[in-house]
Amino acid sequence: GAGVSQSPSNKVTEKGKDVELRCDPISGHTALYWYRQSLGQGLEFLIYFQGNSAPDKSGLPSDRFSAERTGGSVSTLTIQRTQQEDSAVYLCASSLYGVYEQYFGPGTRLTVT
Amino acid sequence: TQLLEQSPQFLSIQEGENLTVYCNSSSVFSSLQWYRQEPGEGPVLLVTVVTGGEVKKLKRLTFQFGDARKDSSLHITAAQPGDTGLYLCAGVSNAGGTSYGKLTFGQGTILTVHP
Repeated sequence: GAGVSQSPSNKVTEKGKDVELRCDPISGHTALYWYRQSLGQGLEFLIYFQGNSAPDKSGLPSDRFSAERTGGSVSTLTIQRTQQEDSAVYLCASSLYGVYEQYFGPGTRLTVT
Repeated sequence: TQLLEQSPQFLSIQEGENLTVYCNSSSVFSSLQWYRQEPGEGPVLLVTVVTGGEVKKLKRLTFQFGDARKDSSLHITAAQPGDTGLYLCAGVSNAGGTSYGKLTFGQGTILTVHP
């Protein structure tokens, strides 16, 4: 079946511009996660959606970052007024509730020039 | 805040050698996972260890969870070039509420196996 998909795969933007990153989770997965990964490094948790519950936003690095999940499926991560330090790979993952195995998408590589 | 320290950060070995990657924390996790990531792709789950002292084997890979559920190790026997990649450990939080199922990742180990 289809896995987690993310778009775009690559995004180059100028400092100060806003960007939107999209994640399509596996159908039926109620949990959705966003992570940020610097080159060759571990994953930094950003935000976690679980069903209709209030999201865990504790990992968002600043108020320039926001995310929403519409209809319990597709999610969009928005970064406003991008900075060069925002350059990274943004990974999305989904899982079934109560099951800890997370299925990751291929990521969006964001470059802020 | 739960933290996971992973070591070594880089590992470059010859085909046929053995290696061990360590993942340590001062916090207790309900379970611990190991992922492998290849360039341009997302991490893929290799194994989940749940019980303190648990040992799991996956072909030439052996995973161990510490008795106190604060640390874990990944041992690869007779490494092959196909084992090359980024290995990540991740601790699972069993805290309630919005933290349920949340993963805390280590910094990763970049393994290169030369033919």
